[in-house]
Amino acid sequence: EAQVTQNPRYLITVTGKKLTVTCSQNMNHEYMSWYRQDPGLGLRQIYYSMNVEVTDKGDVPEGYKVSRKEKRNFPLILESPSPNQTSLYFCASSPSGTAYNSPLHFGNGTRLTVT
Amino acid sequence: AQSVTQLGSHVSVSEGALVLLRCNYSSSVPPYLFWYVQYPNQGLQLLLKYTTGATLVKGINGFEAEFKKSETSFHLTKPSAHMSDAAEYFCAVSEGDSGNTPLVFGKGTRLSVIA
Repeated sequence: EAQVTQNPRYLITVTGKKLTVTCSQNMNHEYMSWYRQDPGLGLRQIYYSMNVEVTDKGDVPEGYKVSRKEKRNFPLILESPSPNQTSLYFCASSPSGTAYNSPLHFGNGTRLTVT
Repeated sequence: AQSVTQLGSHVSVSEGALVLLRCNYSSSVPPYLFWYVQYPNQGLQLLLKYTTGATLVKGINGFEAEFKKSETSFHLTKPSAHMSDAAEYFCAVSEGDSGNTPLVFGKGTRLSVIA
């Protein structure tokens, strides 16, 4: 089954404790992206990757890191999480970018709470 | 830069009634327009999209949307609501056709269906 898999689904951590949220897709998509979803703010892009070893900042990259060493994986790293990073995070992928003919496929989300 | 406004963060309808979710956009060029649906505890799924051509677009699960350039609108409708339609709906706009064209999401409208 074609899918984007995120782990974990739920995560509670404390301020400053480094964490990684994994994302993997099995569709051989070139493009992958991370979004955060906050009440009243919709989805905002954190980072994206057009292909292996190519990453770039989205709208809200502060406090996050990513890497794209393999085509299928795109982990999101929070080196020193803070309470304002409490949010619902989504990984998404598409064949080639966010063009109209390349719709995004989303994972089921990771709900992160930083205390 | 493009933007999206979804009127009403929460809409409630009776089962069998018309569903109307409003979306207005701003864009400096002819836009590409999308509706995504998010069911509880799931990621977003593409419901329908407008690129070019016919302004009335049909999507999955009986939904459709009409692109009205003069009104800069892309409202989502369904003639008869079903309990399974309860979800959050996001309108999104894109101005490009390649690469990481910014895909700007609205803040979402939560649809409740009352039996």
